[in-house]
Amino acid sequence: GQQVMQIPQYQHVQEGEDFTTYCNSSTTLSNIQWYKQRPGGHPVFLIQLVKSGEVKKQKRLTFQFGEAKKNSSLHITATQTTDVGTYFCAGPRSGANNLFFGTGTRLTVIP
Amino acid sequence: DAGVTQSPTHLIKTRGQHVTLRCSPISGHKSVSWYQQVLGQGPQFIFQYYEKEERGRGNFPDRFSARQFPNYSSELNVNALLLGDSALYLCASSFTSATTDTQYFGPGTRLTVL
Repeated sequence: GQQVMQIPQYQHVQEGEDFTTYCNSSTTLSNIQWYKQRPGGHPVFLIQLVKSGEVKKQKRLTFQFGEAKKNSSLHITATQTTDVGTYFCAGPRSGANNLFFGTGTRLTVIP
Repeated sequence: DAGVTQSPTHLIKTRGQHVTLRCSPISGHKSVSWYQQVLGQGPQFIFQYYEKEERGRGNFPDRFSARQFPNYSSELNVNALLLGDSALYLCASSFTSATTDTQYFGPGTRLTVL
């Protein structure tokens, strides 16, 4: 069945260090979305990537969609304590109009 | 504008009971999706409704059912509750049912089954 794996599962960084999470799908995705969920909160949409090799930036966050459209990454430069949370990637479920979420990467930022 | 709202915020039930969770989408959004999020995992798709019709169903037993009303609000019903149904139930709304449409999540209903 369809799988979307994220690595690492957990990441602890010192404030100011960079952070990267990787998302790997077992199937080709028409698009990929990234969400952030703060502790005790709900997923909040960050961005959507559609094109092969696409790179998008949001301030300190850089998102990339792989050439084969089966993997993606989120890189945060100079992490801040406000970056704490779990980052999920999500792609369309095969043959359906709904999302299949990845396993998530929980980021802890140590002040 | 108000975001997606869900009620109740928290709920405690015992095994075998029935529960109804409610969701009001963002004004103008016609699609509502329900997800179950068990602690430490990503959201798992349960149902999607668009224009009052079921557009998708995840791998959940028939104890789970849902419907969408003419005002696009939605209810998720779970019968014969099991301990494993304890989770955060999330509702997400979008303008259409397309996966390219941004989904906006509500705060969720945290269900505890004892």
